[in-house]
Amino acid sequence: AQTVTQSQPEMSVQEAETVTLSCTYDTSESDYYLFWYKQPPSRQMILVIRQEAYKQQNATENRFSVNFQKAAKSFSLKISDSQLGDAAMYFCAYRSAEGYQKVTFGTGTKLQVIP
Amino acid sequence: EPEVTQTPSHQVTQMGQEVILRCVPISNHLYFYWYRQILGQKVEFLVSFYNNEISEKSEIFDDQFSVERPDGSNFTLKIRSTKLEDSAMYFCASKTALSNAKPNEQFFGPGTRLTVL
Repeated sequence: AQTVTQSQPEMSVQEAETVTLSCTYDTSESDYYLFWYKQPPSRQMILVIRQEAYKQQNATENRFSVNFQKAAKSFSLKISDSQLGDAAMYFCAYRSAEGYQKVTFGTGTKLQVIP
Repeated sequence: EPEVTQTPSHQVTQMGQEVILRCVPISNHLYFYWYRQILGQKVEFLVSFYNNEISEKSEIFDDQFSVERPDGSNFTLKIRSTKLEDSAMYFCASKTALSNAKPNEQFFGPGTRLTVL
């Protein structure tokens, strides 16, 4: 079974600074997807960024980028120029490319942005 | 932009009562999912549904739970006799069946907060 581990329960960053959230995962599969979801206090799950395992190039979405290290099974999220609206819970998630593709989530990192 | 919707946003019920949580997936999607998030914990997979049948379920999804797609647009989660520990946020998600669709990810609804008293 796949597992996703987020070792940082909480992180804080100064507004306009950069922060990196860590995630590691375990799988025996070679083809899969990785995601970062943002969950604000409203508790809605918002997709921030996705990475296909077969792509070597790291995904980027505006101020959000990932560092995907497939051999190390590491998938960190970098938020540049942090904004107050970035404050939320961030979940790292894994989905197999096979089967019915349930998503496996990590335990989350609560990000605080300090004005 | 199409989105998954869920009703109600908040449901309060007495222990032992039946509840039905409703979801309207994105119209051309064919895979449907329910997830649960107990307050302060991670999101957990409950069940996936495809072609009018359950394709996978977790150990959480016991006989108290059932899913149904009654009319081709709604996707429901029923809890027959709620327990205190069923209090959680329940998320519905849907996905297109096209394997080469971009993006080929699950779209999550806003969630239903279930409170069991």
